[in-house]
Amino acid sequence: AQTVTQSQPEMSVQEAETVTLSCTYDTSENNYYLFWYKQPPSRQMILVIRQEAYKQQNATENRFSVNFQKAAKSFSLKISDSQLGDTAMYFCAFMTYTGGFKTIFGAGTRLFVKA
Amino acid sequence: DTAVSQTPKYLVTQMGNDKSIKCEQNLGHDTMYWYKQDSKKFLKIMFSYNNKELIINETVPNRFSPKSPDKAHLNLHINSLELGDSAVYFCASSQDRLGEQYFGPGTRLTVT
Repeated sequence: AQTVTQSQPEMSVQEAETVTLSCTYDTSENNYYLFWYKQPPSRQMILVIRQEAYKQQNATENRFSVNFQKAAKSFSLKISDSQLGDTAMYFCAFMTYTGGFKTIFGAGTRLFVKA
Repeated sequence: DTAVSQTPKYLVTQMGNDKSIKCEQNLGHDTMYWYKQDSKKFLKIMFSYNNKELIINETVPNRFSPKSPDKAHLNLHINSLELGDSAVYFCASSQDRLGEQYFGPGTRLTVT
């Protein structure tokens, strides 16, 4: 079975500092997509960053970057220069071509950015 | 303009009732989804439609029936509501089955 594990239920970081959220997944597939979604208190789910498994280069999006380790099946999210608006639940997600392109979400990590 | 909209945003109803949640996307996407987020924030796919055709149907009670009248709409009808159906339901859409998903604001359903 394909699973996504986020081992940190909650994390906190001081404003302007850097924080890394961890995510591991389990699959026998070779081609797949990985995502990080953000859900602020407003409840709106927003895509933060996306990584194709066939790409070796780590995806970056402004202050957000990932460390994708395919062999280790690890996909961590680094947030640099944390801002108060980064306070949210962060979900790691995984999608394969098989299984009907179903997206599987991790349990989420609640991040608090402190002033 | 809202890309993915859901109505209503809040729904409080009694056990045994039948209710519907509507979803519309104005992005021209081919694929739409329904997710359920429980009280522990766990998000799980329920259904997915691609060009009005059902492509994902997770193990969901058959009291839940999605309906896609056209590519831009995917409604969720729930019969004989139960306490355990209380959750936030999210609609989402993507350009195609591989695309990033755009989520609606969610509908908080409370069954009393």
